[in-house]
Amino acid sequence: EDQVTQSPEALRLQEGESSSLNCSYTVSGLRGLFWYRQDPGKGPEFLFTLYSAGEEKEKERLKATLTKKESFLHITAPKPEDSATYLCAVWVGYGGSQGNLIFGKGTKLSVKP
Amino acid sequence: DTGVSQNPRHKITKRGQNVTFRCDPISEHNRLYWYRQTLGQGPEFLTYFQNEAQLEKSRLLSDRFSAERPKGSFSSLEIQRTEQGDSAMYLCASSSGGGSGNTIYFGEGSWLTVV
Repeated sequence: EDQVTQSPEALRLQEGESSSLNCSYTVSGLRGLFWYRQDPGKGPEFLFTLYSAGEEKEKERLKATLTKKESFLHITAPKPEDSATYLCAVWVGYGGSQGNLIFGKGTKLSVKP
Repeated sequence: DTGVSQNPRHKITKRGQNVTFRCDPISEHNRLYWYRQTLGQGPEFLTYFQNEAQLEKSRLLSDRFSAERPKGSFSSLEIQRTEQGDSAMYLCASSSGGGSGNTIYFGEGSWLTVV
């Protein structure tokens, strides 16, 4: 069964304290890994797409990396406005289907000033 | 605003009533998706459309749920005979094509509370 697991479930950081979020996956036919940010009561906001092991992408204080079994979202010197739930999703395709996104449960990040 | 638009944003309904949500995708996006999200969980896939054709439905989409996308523009998701277990946020998303090479953009969601 295709599965996406994110850890930790919750992470509390002090402003400026760098850390990493993990997304591990067991899927057949991986066709892309996506990171989204979700603020309370709102829809997910797209951050990155990664397609192959070794690929890296950066945006401001965020950097996403991908291996064959997991992805990391590194947060460097976070600020309180980085507080949100970060969702990882994998695009899986089955046979003739175009496939769809399977999401993890997310990591809730809180950054205190 | 050129993002995905969903209405209503919040809906409270009594068990057994029917509810309908509307989604207006990003213009020129031919793919439209519906997801459902409950508290503490990630979004779960329900169904998607390529233009006006509904190409895939999840087993989560019981026969009380129906979605359509007439003319390949906006979409509606109807839930008949609502149950308390239907309480969730219903997310609509769109993309400019199929497959993993096209980013899926989400709307703000429609919250459903069944009392």
